[in-house]
Amino acid sequence: RKEVEQDPGPFNVPEGATVAFNCTYSNSASQSFFWYRQDCRKEPKLLMSVYSSGNEDGRFTAQLNRASQYISLLIRDSKLSDSATYLCVVEGYSTLTFGKGTMLLVSP
Amino acid sequence: DARVTQTPRDKVTEMGQEVTMRCQPILGHNTVFWYRQTMMQGLELLAYFRNRAPLDDSGMPKDRFSAEMPDATLATLKIQPSEPRDSAVYFCASGTGQPPDTQYFGPGTRLTVL
Repeated sequence: RKEVEQDPGPFNVPEGATVAFNCTYSNSASQSFFWYRQDCRKEPKLLMSVYSSGNEDGRFTAQLNRASQYISLLIRDSKLSDSATYLCVVEGYSTLTFGKGTMLLVSP
Repeated sequence: DARVTQTPRDKVTEMGQEVTMRCQPILGHNTVFWYRQTMMQGLELLAYFRNRAPLDDSGMPKDRFSAEMPDATLATLKIQPSEPRDSAVYFCASGTGQPPDTQYFGPGTRLTVL
C-alpha cells in the first residue's frame, strides 16, 4: 500500500457544484494531517489542517477517519478559482508525506 | 508577510555541470526541508534539517547530491555532476518544528539538465 494515496483525477465540475476528494494513508501512527493546494507551476500552500473531530473553513470541510485511515475534503459551491491540485499530506516521524494530488477543474 | 525564498528560480544546465540551489527559510523557523517534484513521482523528500543539523537525507542520492545549512538563514542543495534525470522542480520548505508542523514552501527552482 502506498503511504498516501489519492485519485489523480481530474475532477471536472461546473461552478457551484459540490465536490469531494478522498485520501488513504498507511501509517497508523500518524498524528497530523493536512490538505495543501498547488496551483499550476506554483508551490504547495496549506489549505487546512484536518482534525479528528472534523473541521470547516468557509466552503471547505475536512474529515478524518482514523479507524479506516482515510481523509476527505469537501468543497461546496465551487468557484473557478478553486481549480488546482489538492495534496493530501500526512505527518509521520517528524516529516510530511505528500500524496500525488487530485486535480480539480471548475468550469463556467 | 514572511516567505521562504529560493534562488535561482530557473536553471538550465548541461549534463555534468554542478548545480547549487539556495534557500532562505522564514526567520525563526528551525526546520528546513528539501523536496523534488516530478510529474511521475510527485513530491519527494530529499533532506530535512532541524536547528541546522541534518536529520534525514535518506531520500537523496548520496553520490551526487549534498545538502547543507551553513547558517540559520541559508540552506543549500548541490548536485555534482548533474544528470538529465535530475530535471525537476526543487522546493525548499521551512517550519517551526512544533506540531502540527505546517510547512511553508518557497517558489521552487525549476531545473533542466540537458
